[in-house]
This record gives sequence, structure tokens and C-alpha cells, in this order.
Amino acid sequence: ETGVTQTPRHLVMGMTNKKSLKCEQHLGHNAMYWYKQSAKKPLELMFVYSLEERVENNSVPSRFSPECPNSSHLFLHLHTLQPEDSALYLCASSQLRATGIEKLFFGSGTQLSVL
Amino acid sequence: QKEVEQNSGPLSVPEGAIASLNCTYSDRGSQSFFWYRQYSGKSPELIMSIYSNGDKEDGRFTAQLNKASQYVSLLIRDSQPSDSATYLCAVNGISGGYNKLIFGAGTRLAVHP
Repeated sequence: ETGVTQTPRHLVMGMTNKKSLKCEQHLGHNAMYWYKQSAKKPLELMFVYSLEERVENNSVPSRFSPECPNSSHLFLHLHTLQPEDSALYLCASSQLRATGIEKLFFGSGTQLSVL
Repeated sequence: QKEVEQNSGPLSVPEGAIASLNCTYSDRGSQSFFWYRQYSGKSPELIMSIYSNGDKEDGRFTAQLNKASQYVSLLIRDSQPSDSATYLCAVNGISGGYNKLIFGAGTRLAVHP
């Protein structure tokens, strides 16, 4: 148990569906992240929230919409996805300091399949 | 040039041997380096962090850092079949004026009995 809880673990959705991924961290961290992991590719950073403010979105398509209501919760809203969006989506949290990022802790991930 | 490079493997070692995993990075200003282990279908798990040149040991794991050569490695002594996983190297870098962790694609390790 890393202290980062992510739901659901698995999700199958059609291209016209709307769904949301949820993440909660119990570590008192000040930054939360969404990563995408596709087969044979490095982890891709999608969004970063620091102190509830989005600081980077890395040119992610608008069909992915993040929401961070407070420092412990993070959502990723999905709509009109494409089959190539099928991947493992990982939430993570860390403590950001002036010297840089401290250790990153991941949730269990959501394996997403878009039909 | 990729920011963090790892050999994709698979690296196959017999049980009880030393597994050596290597990683190179491009940002000379990087200060923090991490190794994550990821089992198939699971999320990455932090196993080692290293911040200064030299070796850092934790049980069967040793991380080695050489900032001059921009090289970080992970040694696993007395390898066990349960060590079979993908090992991700991550480096703290600055992109767009913002600190973030940049991951390599990972090296798959297979420990055979």
C-alpha cells in the first residue's frame, strides 16, 4: 500500500462514453500527477497539479480533462476517447520542494480499454 | 537523443547471480535519481533513490551514480525469480521551467531458476 488509492482498477468504455478516474492520496503531499503508460513506451506525464493549481498539461488532447478539488484528490475525466487511448493510467503524488521532486508514489493504476 | 535511456532487455540471469541494470541521462543538471520496479500489470514501486556520486546499498540492492558520466546503475545481488520485473530508471529534470521526473522505457529482467 503506497498511500495513493486509485479507482477503478479496470475500465472498458466505448468511444462515445464519458467516465472518470479517481485518485486520493493519504501522504500529505503537495503535488499530484497523471501518467499514461502504453506498451513498450516510457511513462508519459499528462498533468501535474501543485497546491491544487495545474502547472503542466504536456499537450494532452482535450478529451482528457483533469480536476483537482483539493490537495488530496485528483480526477481524470474522459470523453469521446479513441482506441489508441487504451493504456494504463497512473496517478502519483510527491512532495515538491525548492530543490526538486522528492520520491514519487504511484497508485495501482487504471487499465483502460477503449472499444 | 532520449532524455533517459535504458536497454529494453530482456536481461536474463540465473538465480543467485548479480543482475546489473544501466541507465544514462542527458540533463547534466539532474540531482535526483530513482529506480522503480514494475511487475506485469502493476504500478511502479520505488526501490532505490540516490542523490550523490558513489554507491548506495539497501539489502540486496545497490545503486551507483556517476554524474560526470551521466550514468546510474542498479545492482541486484543474489537474484531471485521474484525479482523478475521491469526496472524503470527515473531522473529529476527541468522541462518548461518545471521540475519533473523523466522515466526511461525500462529494462525487463528475467531471473531463471
